[in-house]
Amino acid sequence: EAGVAQSPRYKIIEKRQSVAFWCNPISGHATLYWYQQILGQGPKLLIQFQNNGVVDDSQLPKDRFSAERLKGVDSTLKIQPAKLEDSAVYLCASSPSSSVNTDTQYFGPGTRLTVL
Amino acid sequence: AQSVTQLDSQVPVFEEAPVELRCNYSSSVSVYLFWYVQYPNQGLQLLLKYLSGSTLVKGINGFEAEFNKSQTSFHLRKPSVHISDTAEYFCAVSNAGGTSYGKLTFGQGTILTVHP
Repeated sequence: EAGVAQSPRYKIIEKRQSVAFWCNPISGHATLYWYQQILGQGPKLLIQFQNNGVVDDSQLPKDRFSAERLKGVDSTLKIQPAKLEDSAVYLCASSPSSSVNTDTQYFGPGTRLTVL
Repeated sequence: AQSVTQLDSQVPVFEEAPVELRCNYSSSVSVYLFWYVQYPNQGLQLLLKYLSGSTLVKGINGFEAEFNKSQTSFHLRKPSVHISDTAEYFCAVSNAGGTSYGKLTFGQGTILTVHP
């Protein structure tokens, strides 16, 4: 079974530029998560999709971050414009969603973003 | 609101020695508890989870954890570590019910370094 795929793996941009990350979850997984992991901290949930609907985006900085999950499969996370404090690893995870609270979340390798 | 505190940011240990990684949580509702491991340049991988039943949970790679409700702790243990256990370990909680949709709250992480 293929795991969660993410691209790119690394990205370096200058502040005020835009950037987009892509995630392909495990086939058949209904729930998709985007996390932000700042160096030295644990992952923090940015947004959660159930199929193609948003169920939690309470910690997403909506003035600059946006995400979509078209057709309930792949997802993209965009930052526009980027700030220095957005430097982090962006993790995508998916879960089967048979019972969401007890589900194991399967994580991709992440995209390391550096904002200069 | 929930929070997770991992009491040690770094734990050095010699190969074949026992290890305990400490995790305390705070929550006003019942929780499910998880330990994830992150190897260098890889995504997070589930080690074990506590949902209900026996408070001693066994996971992969010889790890186990004990849920202590009165002390709100979920410490991770391994009786004999290997060099390959060198990684960062994250404790996490989710609501057991309600409308949190499986949102995980992570601790800050503990870097386990196993020396030969």
